[in-house]
Amino acid sequence: EAGVAQSPRYKIIEKRQSVAFWCNPISGHATLYWYQQILGQGPKLLIQFQNNGVVDDSQLPKDRFSAERLKGVDSTLKIQPAKLEDSAVYLCASSLEARIRNSTDTQYFGPGTRLTVL
Amino acid sequence: GDSVTQMEGPVTLSEEAFLTINCTYTATGYPSLFWYVQYPGEGLQLLLKATKADDKGSNKGFEATYRKETTSFHLEKGSVQVSDSAVYFCARGWGSNYKLTFGKGTLLTVNP
Repeated sequence: EAGVAQSPRYKIIEKRQSVAFWCNPISGHATLYWYQQILGQGPKLLIQFQNNGVVDDSQLPKDRFSAERLKGVDSTLKIQPAKLEDSAVYLCASSLEARIRNSTDTQYFGPGTRLTVL
Repeated sequence: GDSVTQMEGPVTLSEEAFLTINCTYTATGYPSLFWYVQYPGEGLQLLLKATKADDKGSNKGFEATYRKETTSFHLEKGSVQVSDSAVYFCARGWGSNYKLTFGKGTLLTVNP
C-alpha cells in the first residue's frame, strides 16, 4: 500500500515569495492533516480536512497561509508571502476518518517538505 | 492548555542498555496517547498507542503504560539496538475532531 506522498521534498525561497506544497493521502483516507514542525519542536497542527471540508483551521495563520482539498483527495498548502519564521518542515498526514469522541484512528505521515526562507 | 512534556534530549546509550524516555500530559478529558518515531530522513511513524487508563502499548520491544494517576506515558525498552537511533515523539489525541498534540521530541543515539 502506498504511503502519504508529498512534494517537493525541499524548497528554498526568499522572504515575501510564495510557495506551495502538495500532498496525496493514502487511498481511501477521508481525513487529511497539515502540520508545521519547526526545528527542535514537535509538529503543530495547522489545518484538518474531512473529505473536502475544513474541520479545524484554528491554528492556521490565515493572513498568509491557505489550504484546499477541492476533490477530497489530494491537498495543497500555500504560503503567500513567506516570512523567515515559516522555515520548517511541513508534514501531511492522513487517517481513515476522524470519528467523534476519542477517536483512535492512526495518522500516517508523509516524509515532509523542508522549507527554508532566506 | 493541552500539552505534552517529554524529557529533554539528546539521550546517548550503548547497545543493549535500558531505555526510558519520560512523557507527561495535561489531563483534559480522556485522551489517547501515542509514541511516534522519526528515523533519519524518514517521516513520522506510529510506534505504539494506548487508548485508556492502564492500557499498555507495545511494539518492536518498546512499551508504554497509560498512567492516569500520574498523567504519564513513559517509553521503555529493555535492550536498545543501534537501529533504534531516532527521534521519539510523545503525543496525545484529543477533542471531538481528534487532534494530535506532540511533545518536542527526544533524540536517541545508540552506539555499538
